[in-house]
Amino acid sequence: AQSVSQHNHHVILSEAASLELGCNYSYGGTVNLFWYVQYPGQHLQLLLKYFSGDPLVKGIKGFEAEFIKSKFSFNLRKPSVQWSDTAEYFCAVWSKGGKLIFGQGTELSVKP
Amino acid sequence: GAVVSQHPSRVICKSGTSVKIECRSLDFQATTMFWYRQFPKQSLMLMATSNEGSKATYEQGVEKDKFLINHASLTLSTLTVTSAHPEDSSFYICSARDGRGLFAYEQYFGPGTRLTVT
Repeated sequence: AQSVSQHNHHVILSEAASLELGCNYSYGGTVNLFWYVQYPGQHLQLLLKYFSGDPLVKGIKGFEAEFIKSKFSFNLRKPSVQWSDTAEYFCAVWSKGGKLIFGQGTELSVKP
Repeated sequence: GAVVSQHPSRVICKSGTSVKIECRSLDFQATTMFWYRQFPKQSLMLMATSNEGSKATYEQGVEKDKFLINHASLTLSTLTVTSAHPEDSSFYICSARDGRGLFAYEQYFGPGTRLTVT
Protein backbone atom coordinates (compact mmCIF):
# COMPACT_ATOMS: atom_id res chain seq x y z
CA ALA A 1 0.00 0.00 0.00
CA GLN A 2 1.09 3.52 -0.64
CA SER A 3 2.23 5.57 2.30
CA VAL A 4 3.65 8.99 3.01
CA SER A 5 6.18 9.83 5.66
CA GLN A 6 7.01 13.27 6.98
CA HIS A 7 10.20 13.32 8.96
CA ASN A 8 9.73 16.42 11.04
CA HIS A 9 6.98 16.48 13.62
CA HIS A 10 7.55 20.02 14.82
CA VAL A 11 9.82 22.63 13.32
CA ILE A 12 10.58 25.93 15.02
CA LEU A 13 12.16 28.73 13.01
CA SER A 14 12.78 32.41 13.32
CA GLU A 15 11.39 34.77 10.74
CA ALA A 16 13.48 35.02 7.57
CA ALA A 17 14.97 31.57 8.09
CA SER A 18 14.83 29.09 5.25
CA LEU A 19 12.47 26.16 5.45
CA GLU A 20 12.64 22.63 4.18
CA LEU A 21 10.12 20.01 5.22
CA GLY A 22 10.78 16.43 4.26
CA CYS A 23 8.30 14.11 2.60
CA ASN A 24 8.88 10.60 1.33
CA TYR A 25 6.38 8.32 -0.34
CA SER A 26 6.41 4.59 -0.84
CA TYR A 27 4.91 4.03 -4.27
CA GLY A 28 7.33 3.51 -7.16
CA GLY A 29 5.01 4.09 -10.09
CA THR A 30 3.49 7.26 -11.44
CA VAL A 31 2.62 9.52 -8.56
CA ASN A 32 0.62 12.63 -8.00
CA LEU A 33 1.90 14.54 -5.00
CA PHE A 34 0.49 17.38 -2.97
CA TRP A 35 1.33 19.71 -0.12
CA TYR A 36 -1.51 21.09 1.95
CA VAL A 37 -1.42 23.70 4.69
CA GLN A 38 -3.78 24.03 7.63
CA TYR A 39 -3.60 27.38 9.38
CA PRO A 40 -4.82 27.48 12.98
CA GLY A 41 -8.58 27.17 13.02
CA GLN A 42 -8.87 26.99 9.26
CA HIS A 43 -9.48 24.30 6.67
CA LEU A 44 -6.86 22.56 4.57
CA GLN A 45 -5.65 24.54 1.59
CA LEU A 46 -3.66 23.30 -1.36
CA LEU A 47 -0.16 24.78 -1.49
CA LEU A 48 1.07 23.02 -4.58
CA LYS A 49 0.87 19.82 -6.53
CA TYR A 50 2.97 17.71 -8.85
CA PHE A 51 1.49 15.60 -11.61
CA SER A 52 4.19 15.49 -14.28
CA GLY A 53 6.73 17.65 -16.08
CA ASP A 54 9.11 20.01 -14.33
CA PRO A 55 10.03 18.38 -11.02
CA LEU A 56 10.40 21.79 -9.37
CA VAL A 57 6.90 22.94 -8.58
CA LYS A 58 6.02 26.42 -7.46
CA GLY A 59 2.99 27.01 -5.30
CA ILE A 60 1.25 29.81 -3.52
CA LYS A 61 2.78 32.11 -0.91
CA GLY A 62 6.34 31.57 -2.10
CA PHE A 63 6.45 27.83 -1.45
CA GLU A 64 8.02 25.35 -3.81
CA ALA A 65 8.66 21.62 -3.80
CA GLU A 66 11.02 19.38 -5.68
CA PHE A 67 10.06 15.92 -6.85
CA ILE A 68 13.07 13.61 -6.81
CA LYS A 69 11.97 10.27 -8.17
CA SER A 70 15.18 8.45 -7.30
CA LYS A 71 14.77 9.42 -3.65
CA PHE A 72 10.98 9.02 -3.54
CA SER A 73 10.90 12.50 -2.08
CA PHE A 74 8.83 15.64 -2.46
CA ASN A 75 10.30 18.14 -0.01
CA LEU A 76 8.67 21.50 0.60
CA ARG A 77 10.82 24.62 0.67
CA LYS A 78 10.56 28.32 1.27
CA PRO A 79 13.58 30.64 1.21
CA SER A 80 12.38 32.98 3.94
CA VAL A 81 9.53 32.17 6.29
CA GLN A 82 7.19 34.65 7.91
CA TRP A 83 5.30 34.52 11.18
CA SER A 84 2.13 34.02 9.13
CA ASP A 85 3.51 30.71 7.84
CA THR A 86 2.87 29.18 11.26
CA ALA A 87 0.63 26.23 10.45
CA GLU A 88 0.42 22.48 10.03
CA TYR A 89 1.77 21.16 6.74
CA PHE A 90 0.69 17.89 5.19
CA CYS A 91 2.23 16.00 2.33
CA ALA A 92 -0.11 13.72 0.42
CA VAL A 93 -0.01 11.25 -2.43
CA TRP A 94 -2.83 10.32 -4.76
CA SER A 95 -3.27 6.60 -4.43
CA LYS A 96 -4.17 4.19 -7.22
CA GLY A 97 -7.58 3.88 -5.64
CA GLY A 98 -8.24 7.56 -6.18
CA LYS A 99 -7.76 8.54 -2.56
CA LEU A 100 -5.47 11.05 -0.93
CA ILE A 101 -3.06 9.45 1.51
CA PHE A 102 -1.70 11.96 3.99
CA GLY A 103 1.53 12.06 5.90
CA GLN A 104 1.60 12.61 9.62
CA GLY A 105 1.90 16.35 9.29
CA THR A 106 4.57 18.81 10.36
CA GLU A 107 3.79 21.64 12.71
CA LEU A 108 5.72 24.77 11.81
CA SER A 109 6.12 27.49 14.39
CA VAL A 110 7.72 30.73 13.22
CA LYS A 111 8.96 33.07 15.91
CA PRO A 112 8.66 36.78 15.15
CA GLY B 1 -11.44 28.52 -5.78
CA ALA B 2 -14.10 25.97 -5.00
CA VAL B 3 -15.74 26.15 -1.60
CA VAL B 4 -16.85 23.34 0.65
CA SER B 5 -18.91 24.09 3.73
CA GLN B 6 -19.68 21.98 6.77
CA HIS B 7 -22.39 22.33 9.32
CA PRO B 8 -22.27 22.47 12.24
CA SER B 9 -18.75 23.66 12.99
CA ARG B 10 -19.02 22.43 16.57
CA VAL B 11 -21.41 20.06 18.24
CA ILE B 12 -21.65 18.65 21.73
CA CYS B 13 -23.91 15.68 22.29
CA LYS B 14 -24.64 13.18 25.01
CA SER B 15 -23.46 9.62 24.85
CA GLY B 16 -25.94 7.38 23.05
CA THR B 17 -27.39 10.06 20.81
CA SER B 18 -26.86 10.50 17.08
CA VAL B 19 -25.32 13.48 15.33
CA LYS B 20 -25.58 14.48 11.69
CA ILE B 21 -22.90 16.52 9.95
CA GLU B 22 -23.56 18.11 6.58
CA CYS B 23 -21.03 18.76 3.86
CA ARG B 24 -21.89 20.93 0.88
CA SER B 25 -20.02 21.92 -2.25
CA LEU B 26 -21.12 25.50 -2.85
CA ASP B 27 -20.00 26.31 -6.35
CA PHE B 28 -19.30 23.03 -8.05
CA GLN B 29 -20.75 19.59 -8.41
CA ALA B 30 -19.01 17.01 -6.27
CA THR B 31 -19.05 13.64 -7.95
CA THR B 32 -17.08 12.24 -5.04
CA MET B 33 -16.96 13.22 -1.40
CA PHE B 34 -14.62 12.01 1.28
CA TRP B 35 -14.93 11.94 5.05
CA TYR B 36 -11.84 12.18 7.24
CA ARG B 37 -11.24 12.05 10.93
CA GLN B 38 -8.42 14.01 12.52
CA PHE B 39 -7.13 13.46 16.02
CA PRO B 40 -5.19 16.22 17.78
CA LYS B 41 -1.68 16.64 16.43
CA GLN B 42 -2.24 13.79 13.98
CA SER B 43 -2.91 13.33 10.33
CA LEU B 44 -6.17 12.98 8.51
CA MET B 45 -7.50 9.46 8.48
CA LEU B 46 -9.80 8.63 5.59
CA MET B 47 -13.01 7.08 6.84
CA ALA B 48 -15.02 6.62 3.67
CA THR B 49 -15.51 7.67 0.08
CA SER B 50 -18.91 8.32 -1.40
CA ASN B 51 -20.03 8.83 -4.94
CA GLU B 52 -23.28 10.56 -5.68
CA GLY B 53 -26.16 8.16 -5.76
CA SER B 54 -24.26 5.09 -4.61
CA LYS B 55 -23.26 3.51 -1.34
CA ALA B 56 -20.20 4.76 0.43
CA THR B 57 -17.01 2.74 0.48
CA TYR B 58 -15.57 2.50 3.97
CA GLU B 59 -11.95 2.13 4.90
CA GLN B 60 -10.82 -0.88 6.84
CA GLY B 61 -11.66 -0.60 10.50
CA VAL B 62 -14.40 1.99 10.08
CA GLU B 63 -17.81 0.76 11.23
CA LYS B 64 -20.31 1.51 8.49
CA ASP B 65 -23.28 1.00 10.80
CA LYS B 66 -21.88 3.57 13.18
CA PHE B 67 -20.83 6.17 10.64
CA LEU B 68 -23.67 6.45 8.15
CA ILE B 69 -22.84 8.34 4.99
CA ASN B 70 -25.34 9.58 2.48
CA HIS B 71 -24.44 11.35 -0.76
CA ALA B 72 -27.88 12.08 -2.09
CA SER B 73 -27.00 14.88 -4.49
CA LEU B 74 -24.02 16.36 -6.29
CA THR B 75 -23.73 19.08 -3.69
CA LEU B 76 -24.54 17.40 -0.39
CA SER B 77 -23.16 14.57 1.67
CA THR B 78 -24.02 13.78 5.26
CA LEU B 79 -22.21 11.85 7.96
CA THR B 80 -24.32 10.57 10.84
CA VAL B 81 -22.53 9.32 13.92
CA THR B 82 -25.00 6.92 15.49
CA SER B 83 -25.09 6.08 19.18
CA ALA B 84 -22.14 8.33 19.80
CA HIS B 85 -19.66 7.56 22.56
CA PRO B 86 -16.87 9.67 24.05
CA GLU B 87 -14.28 7.88 21.92
CA ASP B 88 -16.05 9.25 18.83
CA SER B 89 -15.08 12.74 19.89
CA SER B 90 -12.89 14.08 17.13
CA PHE B 91 -12.53 16.55 14.31
CA TYR B 92 -14.41 15.41 11.22
CA ILE B 93 -13.46 16.87 7.87
CA CYS B 94 -15.19 16.40 4.56
CA SER B 95 -13.67 16.88 1.16
CA ALA B 96 -15.19 17.09 -2.27
CA ARG B 97 -13.98 16.52 -5.77
CA ASP B 98 -15.43 17.14 -9.16
CA GLY B 99 -14.07 14.10 -10.96
CA ARG B 100 -14.60 15.52 -14.40
CA GLY B 101 -12.76 17.96 -16.57
CA LEU B 102 -9.40 19.64 -16.23
CA PHE B 103 -9.35 19.69 -12.45
CA ALA B 104 -10.50 16.15 -11.83
CA TYR B 105 -7.79 15.60 -9.23
CA GLU B 106 -8.50 18.74 -7.25
CA GLN B 107 -9.90 17.97 -3.85
CA TYR B 108 -11.39 20.73 -1.74
CA PHE B 109 -11.72 20.55 2.01
CA GLY B 110 -14.38 21.76 4.36
CA PRO B 111 -13.55 23.63 7.57
CA GLY B 112 -14.27 20.62 9.74
CA THR B 113 -16.69 19.80 12.53
CA ARG B 114 -15.56 19.41 16.12
CA LEU B 115 -17.62 16.69 17.77
CA THR B 116 -17.55 16.30 21.53
CA VAL B 117 -19.46 13.45 23.11
CA THR B 118 -20.08 13.78 26.83
